[in-house]
Amino acid sequence: NAGVTQTPKFQVLKTGQSMTLQCAQDMNHNSMYWYRQDPGMGLRLIYYSASEGTTDKGEVPNGYNVSRLNKREFSLRLESAAPSQTSVYFCASSEADRESAFFGQGTRLTVV
Amino acid sequence: QKEVEQDPGPLSVPEGAIVSLNCTYSNSAFQYFMWYRQYSRKGPELLMYTYSSGNKEDGRFTAQVDKSSKYISLFIRDSQPSDSATYLCAMTLYNTDKLIFGTGTRLQVFP
Repeated sequence: NAGVTQTPKFQVLKTGQSMTLQCAQDMNHNSMYWYRQDPGMGLRLIYYSASEGTTDKGEVPNGYNVSRLNKREFSLRLESAAPSQTSVYFCASSEADRESAFFGQGTRLTVV
Repeated sequence: QKEVEQDPGPLSVPEGAIVSLNCTYSNSAFQYFMWYRQYSRKGPELLMYTYSSGNKEDGRFTAQVDKSSKYISLFIRDSQPSDSATYLCAMTLYNTDKLIFGTGTRLQVFP
């Protein structure tokens, strides 16, 4: 019972480099989310996807793109990383009843 | 002003104490309210979920919602060192799955 799996767990990037954070869930959930967590800021929504094929901006979408590849997978791409994107990134999924929201273990990203 | 406000703490209490964690919100359209617990270097895990004013109890945990005051609380009875974590409130509107989080309150329960 894997739940929500994120890869990689840790990453160091140089300014200007690009990378994709991967997320997969095995609970057949329709909704998936990408959050970033910074000290004193809590969890801020970057993008979310209410169903396969749909995505919507959250609170802090600038500098990011997402792809809902299929029902299981939701990836987050940084096209040109900036030091301000240093953060812990969490992927989550939920069913419509909202009682079943699950988070992955996070990706710690450092941009130098 | 953030939509959801939460005292960041830290809150330090002795084992066995009753803990009260609180959040206020500004959008009266929020309908669903959740509490998440996050251990250090882990992802948040759903602890409690409510969708109406009133109380909901689960073991040592009680979630309380007062929509008229736009105020939610989480009470922990007989707190244990294993309760030491960051507690985040979250809420969402009726017609969306988009969760809005508070900043989290760090709780430490010492033996």
